[in-house]
Amino acid sequence: EDQVTQSPEALRLQEGESSSLNCSYTVSGLRGLFWYRQDPGKGPEFLFTLYSAGEEKEKERLKATLTKKESFLHITAPKPEDSATYLCAVQPISSGSARQLTFGSGTQLTVLP
Amino acid sequence: GAVVSQHPSWVICKSGTSVKIECRSLDFQATTMFWYRQFPKQSLMLMATSNEGSKATYEQGVEKDKFLINHASLTLSTLTVTSAHPEDSSFYICSAVAGGSGGYNEQFFGPGTRLTVL
Repeated sequence: EDQVTQSPEALRLQEGESSSLNCSYTVSGLRGLFWYRQDPGKGPEFLFTLYSAGEEKEKERLKATLTKKESFLHITAPKPEDSATYLCAVQPISSGSARQLTFGSGTQLTVLP
Repeated sequence: GAVVSQHPSWVICKSGTSVKIECRSLDFQATTMFWYRQFPKQSLMLMATSNEGSKATYEQGVEKDKFLINHASLTLSTLTVTSAHPEDSSFYICSAVAGGSGGYNEQFFGPGTRLTVL
C-alpha cells in the first residue's frame, strides 16, 4: 500500500530562519512526487513536481529535492507570508492513466515576524 | 498555472436536501477530474475519479448513490450530495489534470466548497 509521511506536523520559525520539511514515501513505483501549499479555507496550490531521484526544483525561497525514499522542501529565509500547510503527494505508476495522488497529512508552517 | 474554479464556495443546507457543486477548468480541457473531501486539520481524501463521458470511479467506502458525479464535458464536473446529513459537512475540493512536461500531468485544484448541513 502506498504511504506518505510528512514531518514535522507543525513547525514554527522566526522570519529568516531557514529549515526543511520532510516527506517520506513508500510506493511500489513512483511516477511523480508533488508539493502543494494550502492556505486555510482554500484549495491546494501547486508548487513542484519531481520525477526522479537527484532532481531539484526551486521557486523563490523554496527548493524541493528528491531521493528514492524521501523528498525535502527547503525554505530559505522564510517570511510570514510563507505560513501555510505544505502537502506532499505521490503519484504511483500503478495509478495508470487515472493518475491519482496519495497525500501526506501535511506540515503546518508558521513564520513569525 | 492552470485555473480551476468551484461553485459555490460555501453552502448551508437543511438535512435531507441535495446539494450540487460544480468544478470547472477555465483555461484548459480536463479529461480527468478528481473529487476530494477534507476534514479540519486533516489531509485530502480522494473520493472519486471523474472521467469525461464515462462513469466515475469511487474509492472504497464512498457511497456512489450518495455522491453523484457527472463529467459531462471536458471543462465541467459536478458533485451532487444527495439527501445530505450533518456528517456530510466538510470541505469538498476538486482537481483537474492538465498536460505537463514529459507526459506526467499535474493536478490543479479548485478553491474548495465548504458544505454545512444543519
